[in-house]
Amino acid sequence: AQSVAQPEDQVNVAEGNPLTVKCTYSVSGNPYLFWYVQYPNRGLQFLLKYITGDNLVKGSYGFEAEFNKSQTSFHLKKPSALVSDSALYFCAVKQGSARQLTFGSGTQLTVLP
Amino acid sequence: DGGITQSPKYLFRKEGQNVTLSCEQNLNHDAMYWYRQDPGQGLRLIYYSQIVNDFQKGDIAEGYSVSREKKESFPLTVTSAQKNPTAFYLCASSAGLAGGETQYFGPGTRLLVL
Repeated sequence: AQSVAQPEDQVNVAEGNPLTVKCTYSVSGNPYLFWYVQYPNRGLQFLLKYITGDNLVKGSYGFEAEFNKSQTSFHLKKPSALVSDSALYFCAVKQGSARQLTFGSGTQLTVLP
Repeated sequence: DGGITQSPKYLFRKEGQNVTLSCEQNLNHDAMYWYRQDPGQGLRLIYYSQIVNDFQKGDIAEGYSVSREKKESFPLTVTSAQKNPTAFYLCASSAGLAGGETQYFGPGTRLLVL
């Protein structure tokens, strides 16, 4: 079985400060990991994914995520937050043989001016 | 302009009524998906299709039906058997089901019950 957890429902950060949105996962075997962002009343936008290789993955809009196999984590990071980064962020996981993607419950990021 | 379109943006359902949500993609993707989003619960998979004329139930298929007669289209019908249909419905597509294929999402349809 595969599962993913986003332990924080809400994250607040000041504009210009670094931000981190946490994600941990559980799979059998090697995982495929994804981050998506959702603005109000909109669909999900793909940010980045980890398949294999370099543990640091760079994505859209200056976001990056670090795959940590020993801690089964895939935290989303950005060095300097913008007010426009305020949105709902979803982590998702898929184990190699699975057909389905499993989503976390989401983390609401608010960047304060 | 490639992408996924969903219509309508808002849909109202009366008691006992079946309603159909449209999803079209021009990405030439084989796989398509329907998700339901409720506040604080993330996305839950309703149905998915790997290829034309084939589809599989997801985690919450009861009260829903789908068809896949064309590669580009994957409509979802919310039947009267679905007792709590109020939610935001998202359609997605990917090149395939296997491995780390990225799913791309449409803008969503919000279904409300009158």
